[in-house]
Amino acid sequence: AQSVTQLDSHVSVSEGTPVLLRCNYSSSYSPSLFWYVQHPNKGLQLLLKYTSAATLVKGINGFEAEFKKSETSFHLTKPSAHMSDAAEYFCVVSVLRTSYDKVIFGPGTSLSVIP
Amino acid sequence: EPEVTQTPSHQVTQMGQEVILRCVPISNHLYFYWYRQILGQKVEFLVSFYNNEISEKSEIFDDQFSVERPDGSNFTLKIRSTKLEDSAMYFCASRTSGGSFVSETQYFGPGTRLLVL
Repeated sequence: AQSVTQLDSHVSVSEGTPVLLRCNYSSSYSPSLFWYVQHPNKGLQLLLKYTSAATLVKGINGFEAEFKKSETSFHLTKPSAHMSDAAEYFCVVSVLRTSYDKVIFGPGTSLSVIP
Repeated sequence: EPEVTQTPSHQVTQMGQEVILRCVPISNHLYFYWYRQILGQKVEFLVSFYNNEISEKSEIFDDQFSVERPDGSNFTLKIRSTKLEDSAMYFCASRTSGGSFVSETQYFGPGTRLLVL
């Protein structure tokens, strides 16, 4: 079975300071991992993905995430927050096999950026 | 860049009415999905669809729901008799097939906000 935990339902940072959004997962298989962002009243935009290649993954808008198998974590970071980063962030686990296609969303972390 | 589109963007309906939510996946994609997000809650998987049949469905996807790919481009979600608790944002997603991991990325549409009164 697969599950995703996002440890913080809400994170607040000051503009220009680092962002850390935490994600832990469990999976019976080797999963693919994704971060999606959802701005208010908007759809889901792919930020970045891990698919068993490099463990440090760079995404759009300066975000990156590191896959740590030993910790079953895939935390999202950004060195310097921008006001436009304020949004909901979802960590997603995907397991795709011949007869199995499962995508599980984490509960989301709401990021606020203080000017 | 190709994208998934959904219509309508908003729909208001009376309880007990049927609604059809429409999606146009990216043209070379072969796997299609519907998700729902009740206001303030997490995104929940409803159903996956491949080769003109349902691959997986969640416990939410009961007999009131059905999906169809009526032609080469549209992918629809029908709710037969809407309930108040069906009020949510409904997202469609699609992905390519193939053996590479790139195919696992799902691309999401902007969503349809359904309000059942």
